Amino acid sequence: EIVMTQSPATLSVSLGERATLSCRASQGVSADLAWYQQKPGQAPRLLIYGESTRATGTPARFSGSGSGTEFTLTISSLQSEDSAVYHCQQYNKWPPSFGGGTKVEIK
Amino acid sequence: EVQLVQSGPEVKKPGESLKISCKGSGYSFSTYWIGWVRQMAGTGLEWMGIIYPSDSDTRYSPSFQGQVTISADKSISTAYLQWRSLKASDTAMYYCARGVGPVYDFDFWGRGTLVTVSS
Repeated sequence: EIVMTQSPATLSVSLGERATLSCRASQGVSADLAWYQQKPGQAPRLLIYGESTRATGTPARFSGSGSGTEFTLTISSLQSEDSAVYHCQQYNKWPPSFGGGTKVEIK
Repeated sequence: EVQLVQSGPEVKKPGESLKISCKGSGYSFSTYWIGWVRQMAGTGLEWMGIIYPSDSDTRYSPSFQGQVTISADKSISTAYLQWRSLKASDTAMYYCARGVGPVYDFDFWGRGTLVTVSS
C-alpha cells in the first residue's frame, strides 16, 4: 500500500497570507492525487483532483501542484472560512490511500 | 442535486451485528461507484472498499477485507456497509462517497454515520 504523508500536522497562518501544505507519496502516483477539505463536524469535500484541477465550486485561491511523489496544496490568500483539515488521497495504485491530514488554523 | 443520505447514528455492544446505509439521489445511482471511508476520532481518513451498484462488483482494501461486507440494491439506489460481529475498535464515523471508478477520487460525500460500540 502506498503511504501518504502530510506535513505539517498543523499550520497557523494569518488572514490574507499564503498557506502551503505538503503531501508525499511513498511511491510515484503520477498525477492521480486529490485534495479534500473537511470542516469540523462536516464530511470531506473534494477540492482538487488530478493533482491540479479544481473541483466545481473550489475558489481560485486554491491551487494544486506536484511531481509524482511530492505534492502541494496552496491557498494563496487565507480566508476565515478556510480553517479546516485538508486531506490528500492517491488513486493511482490499489488500494487508494489518504494522508493523515493537515489542520489549517488562523493565526 | 446529487445527494448521498446516510442512516442515523448507531450504538451497539461488542459482538452485535450492524448494517448501515447510504441512499443516492439526483444522479444515475447504478453508473457510479460508491465507496466507504472510515474516520476514527481525531484521525485521518481510511479507504475501506467500493462497490459498483450496476453489477455489485466489490473491491476491498486489504486492511478491511473480511472485516466488513459492502453491498448495494440498485432498485432502491442504496449501498450498505455491514458488520457480523462488532468490536470496540469499530467505533468511528463512516462516510459513503461517490466515485467514477474503483480507483478514483470521491466527488460527493454523505454526511457520515457515527457508529459507537461499547459494552
